[in-house]
Amino acid sequence: ETGVTQSPTHLIKTRGQQVTLRCSSQSGHNTVSWYQQALGQGPQFIFQYYREEENGRGNFPPRFSGLQFPNYSSELNVNALELDDSALYLCASSLAVGGWGNTEAFFGQGTRLTVV
Amino acid sequence: SQQGEEDPQALSIQEGENATMNCSYKTSINNLQWYRQNSGRGLVHLILIRSNEREKHSGRLRVTLDTSKKSSSLLITASRAADTASYFCATVSAGNKLTFGGGTRVLVKP
Repeated sequence: ETGVTQSPTHLIKTRGQQVTLRCSSQSGHNTVSWYQQALGQGPQFIFQYYREEENGRGNFPPRFSGLQFPNYSSELNVNALELDDSALYLCASSLAVGGWGNTEAFFGQGTRLTVV
Repeated sequence: SQQGEEDPQALSIQEGENATMNCSYKTSINNLQWYRQNSGRGLVHLILIRSNEREKHSGRLRVTLDTSKKSSSLLITASRAADTASYFCATVSAGNKLTFGGGTRVLVKP
């Protein structure tokens, strides 16, 4: 049990729709990161938020966007869903000092998104 | 793109045997971490080794880091059926972004 919770656990959407995934970080953590994991592959970094500001972004198009709230919970929004967006979406929280991390990340159990 | 690449991609061993997997990466790093994932669920942190460390132990786990060769290894001693999982190395360079490899799938047969 990491203390990081994600909702929903499973979701089915139609191509072209929009989706919002939610993450509640572990208490005291100021950094949240989102990852996309396709079946049989390693997680791919989407973006990271540190103290409510985006602090790094991976190679994902602008239709992937996010928010971090004052209580350090977070959302991942994906617009205009494509079939290739089907994946496990993982949220990870950590404690970073000055924006730099030397500590472990705590992952939620993920949201399995299927786009049909 | 993936920074770390694990080798082998899959490993099958008998309970009680040791399991060794390797990770290679391309750029300089702040630290390197190993994670375990059971059957498509969330990742669990196993061990973190900093760039100025060469070896680290945690229970039955032993991790080495060779920054000159840009490689790391994870050794699981006296494996158990419960160790069956996918294992990922992840490098940290800038900020706290984790860059994962493709993982090693380990099957421990009872």
